[in-house]
Amino acid sequence: DAGVIQSPRHEVTEMGQEVTLRCKPISGHNSLFWYRQTMMRGLELLIYFNNNVPIDDSGMPEDRFSAKMPNASFSTLKIQPSEPRDSAVYFCASSLRAGGVTDTQYFGPGTRLTVL
Amino acid sequence: DQQVKQNSPSLSVQEGRISILNCDYTNSMFDYFLWYKKYPAEGPTFLISISSIKDKNEDGRFTVFLNKSAKHLSLHIVPSQPGDSAVYFCAASGRSGNTGKLIFGQGTTLQVKP
Repeated sequence: DAGVIQSPRHEVTEMGQEVTLRCKPISGHNSLFWYRQTMMRGLELLIYFNNNVPIDDSGMPEDRFSAKMPNASFSTLKIQPSEPRDSAVYFCASSLRAGGVTDTQYFGPGTRLTVL
Repeated sequence: DQQVKQNSPSLSVQEGRISILNCDYTNSMFDYFLWYKKYPAEGPTFLISISSIKDKNEDGRFTVFLNKSAKHLSLHIVPSQPGDSAVYFCAASGRSGNTGKLIFGQGTTLQVKP
């Protein structure tokens, strides 16, 4: 398996522009997570999906952030409009929910976002 | 509110010596704990975990200790190797909710010097 795939790997944009990050989870996995990594707060969970349904979006910083999972093999995280403080590394992770067992999350390589 | 805290941003040890990474948590509902390792330009990868019914779990050179009364866990690496140099994240989960959600700490950067 190719693992979790994220695109783009690097994104540089100007303040006010729309940014879309993409993720393809591992085939067969039914949970998907979006994280943001910053020096101050480490890895923050933004939102996660089970069976394509958003379960907890309490980590989404504000209305400028939105995430979708139209099918089991694709998810997007959109920032509109982007701001310099959104600069961070964004990770997507997936896992297979086995029920009653904490499931290992497999992370993608991340997207490094720079908002000028 | 940071529910999982790694108070040491960095740690430097000599090759062959023991590395001890620490993690504290505040939520008593957490009952499963994990350590992830991250190399530059890569995503974190799972390293080792421990359930709250245990106080120790060992896997090769890596051992995780859990002190529930102190809400503290630690990762021991013995002996440390230069390839262990990475960022280590502690994470916690509350299985009672059965959500699969993990709460991560800020990470500790380990440098193992040859």
